Amino acid sequence: KQEVTQIPAALSVPEGENLVLNCSFTDSAIYNLQWFRQDPGKGLTSLLLIQSSQREQTSGRLNASLDKSSGRSTLYIAASQPGDSATYLCAVPQGGSEKLVFGKGMKLTVNP
Amino acid sequence: EPEVTQTPSHQVTQMGQEVILRCVPISNHLYFYWYRQILGQKVEFLVSFYNNEISEKSEIFDDQFSVERPDGSNFTLKIRSTKLEDSAMYFCATGGARNTEAFFGQGTRLTVV
Repeated sequence: KQEVTQIPAALSVPEGENLVLNCSFTDSAIYNLQWFRQDPGKGLTSLLLIQSSQREQTSGRLNASLDKSSGRSTLYIAASQPGDSATYLCAVPQGGSEKLVFGKGMKLTVNP
Repeated sequence: EPEVTQTPSHQVTQMGQEVILRCVPISNHLYFYWYRQILGQKVEFLVSFYNNEISEKSEIFDDQFSVERPDGSNFTLKIRSTKLEDSAMYFCATGGARNTEAFFGQGTRLTVV
């Protein structure tokens, strides 16, 4: 059974810092990994999808890497801004299944 | 940019009542999902739907739950007799193909009193 862990659960940083968010998963037989952003009381916004054959995927100030063999992904946020404050979740498909298994998320606060 | 639309955004219902949550998927997407998030907990899978039938469901998705695509555009989740523990944010998600990027709606916050 796939388990997804995100540590730490929360992070507070000053504006401008480069950040690394971590995600680990137990079953490395995944098709892809998806990073989402969730604002308080809102839905999930897809940030990046990284395929199992890829090592990295970039979108603007965001860069996601994937190391299947070690069961890890990182989301790198460059030059953080207060508008980046949100909860960031990673999700992977359960092996052989369509369903996504989510981590509990990491609540990021970027202070001006 | 195409988006998944959910209605209502918030619903309050009495225990034992039936509720229907609605979703308009991204057009040309063929895979549909419902997830829920109880306050403070992880997002958890309920059901997937493809080709007008359920393709997978979780243990949570018991006989009280049902899904359908009544008119070829909407995708609905029905809870027949709501319980207090059904209070959660319910998310609809859609995908263009199996195991591709999933796009989520803004959610319906269901409060059972």
